[in-house]
Order: sequence, then C-alpha cells, then structure tokens
Amino acid sequence: QQQVKQSPQSLIVQKGGISIINCAYENTAFDYFPWYQQFPGKGPALLIAIRPDVSEKKEGRFTISFNKSAKQFSLHIMDSQPGDSATYFCAARVGNNDMRFGAGTRLTVKP
Amino acid sequence: DVKVTQSSRYLVKRTGEKVFLECVQDMDHENMFWYRQDPGLGLRLIYFSYDVKMKEKGDIPEGYSVSREKKERFSLILESASTNQTSMYLCASSPGGYEQFFGPGTRLTVL
Repeated sequence: QQQVKQSPQSLIVQKGGISIINCAYENTAFDYFPWYQQFPGKGPALLIAIRPDVSEKKEGRFTISFNKSAKQFSLHIMDSQPGDSATYFCAARVGNNDMRFGAGTRLTVKP
Repeated sequence: DVKVTQSSRYLVKRTGEKVFLECVQDMDHENMFWYRQDPGLGLRLIYFSYDVKMKEKGDIPEGYSVSREKKERFSLILESASTNQTSMYLCASSPGGYEQFFGPGTRLTVL
C-alpha cells in the first residue's frame, strides 16, 4: 500500500493562480521530504525538499509547508505558469536508501 | 551536471524473452536504484545497490534481478518477461541518502 498518500491526482489551474498539492504519511521515522517534478519524456528531478524540524521552506515560487503533528506536507506553487505543467511527486525517506513516493499529481496550468 | 543514461527509451519484447535494461551514471555515486512507474501508483522500488556487487530488494523484486559489476553501471534483468511487466522503468543514482538523480526512463512493452 502507499506509505505516502498524495492528492489530488490531477489539478488544473489558471495562469497566475496558486497550485496546491497535498501529501500525508503515517510513518514517523520519515526524516526527509522531497518533491520531484517530472516533465513528459523525462525522469523526475528534485524540485525542493524539507526536513521535519522546519515548518516551511521557500524557493522562489515554490513552498513546502510541513505539519509534523498532522503528518502532512504540501507543495504550493505561487503565480503558476504554463511551464509548471508537469507531474509532481511527493516522497519521504526512511533509512539511508528507502525513499517512498506518492502516486503523483498531474498539474496543468492553463494560459 | 549529473548524467544518468538508460540504454533504450522504448523497448518492445515478447512474453518469455529475457530483457536487459542498462543504466550508467557518470558521477561516481555509490547508490543506484531501479524503479517502475505506473499511473496511479507512483514510483515503486524494484532493487537498489549501495556498492559494486551489493544489492538489496525493494518493494517489488519478483520477476526481476539486477547486476552491478562496475560502480557506474546498474542493470535490471527480466528473466522471463510477462505482460504485467509492461511499464516505465526509471534508473536513479545518489551520492548519499538524499537527492536521487533520475535517467529519462525506458518504456517497456511486453506483448
């Protein structure tokens, strides 16, 4: 079963709007929470990541919000652009090499 | 820039064939991974390797084996391909336990 539950499966946002993707987990041993971005025909690439001792991390238009008590984290994309259209995966790491991925969210930003 | 290359972008094989998927990374990373990506299921780990000739099973190793004879090369082998192994296969490498660098993927169809 999915150890990291991601929603929604797909998301359509107007250009300039805010895109929000949510993830939830159960395993409190997870210690690193990355988001990956995947364009068609490409492999996923790291977008932004957070550790559980921080509640928020911002890089440009991308922000991760992390709620340790609720065991949830989310990706916010401000001022969404058509070039942001891609599939986004949240993930969580336990142990040195054990990365668990969410099911993915296909984001479409309409011009 | 880290480069992870996969031997084929598209592959069509017949049921029962032995299939080799090759992955090469050029950054001297210790860790290498094979995932399969299916819609609605995200990325699921098949096998990973943390050193030459060392390997560990992931979540879905059944029907697969791997080989790592050189640090830069990690091969995924389907001993006897079946139609339920039709999928996108992604290779990744990592210098430690955090960011993983992905190849472009091999879309395998088993007829």
